[in-house]
Amino acid sequence: KAGVTQTPRYLIKTRGQQVTLSCSPISGHRSVSWYQQTPGQGLQFLFEYFSETQRNKGNFPGRFSGRQFSNSRSEMNVSTLELGDSALYLCASSLAASGNIQYFGAGTRLSVL
Amino acid sequence: AQSVTQLGSHVSVSEGALVLLRCNYSSSVPPYLFWYVQYPNQGLQLLLKYTTGATLVKGINGFEAEFKKSETSFHLTKPSAHMSDAAEYFCAVMGENQGGKLIFGQGTELSVKP
Repeated sequence: KAGVTQTPRYLIKTRGQQVTLSCSPISGHRSVSWYQQTPGQGLQFLFEYFSETQRNKGNFPGRFSGRQFSNSRSEMNVSTLELGDSALYLCASSLAASGNIQYFGAGTRLSVL
Repeated sequence: AQSVTQLGSHVSVSEGALVLLRCNYSSSVPPYLFWYVQYPNQGLQLLLKYTTGATLVKGINGFEAEFKKSETSFHLTKPSAHMSDAAEYFCAVMGENQGGKLIFGQGTELSVKP
């Protein structure tokens, strides 16, 4: 069974641009969560989608948004990029219910210049 | 709100020595506790998961963790370190009805000396 796939793996953008990251979950998984990892703040939860609905949201500005499609694939978008958005963005998928194990992708490394 | 504290941002052990990575959670007992490992340039891999009722949880690669409610701890151990164990380790909690939301500790980087 294929794991969680994130594309692209690396991305370089400039301040003010917007970016879209993609995540394909493990087949059969309906929940997709997104996390931001930085050296200073560590791993922080962005949001979680289940059956195309945002079920949980972290404490990030509105520039960070996401969506989930009917096939459970998910995208996250960051508008008006700031230098501080440089990070590793991780996607994780799980079956559905609370407490289920989350399986992580390799991440997308975003650098904002 | 749930929170997790990992004591020691960096731990160094010799190959063959005991590995002990410390994790304390906030006072309200979380339903779910996890340990994940991250190798360089990779995502997170689950080592083990605690669910209510267990005290000693066995994971992959010889790791195990002991849940101690009286100490609000969930420390990770391995009897004998291997060079391949060098990585960053994260303790995480998930609250009831908080599906998909893991709260992570700051991480502990484990170095293994030959």
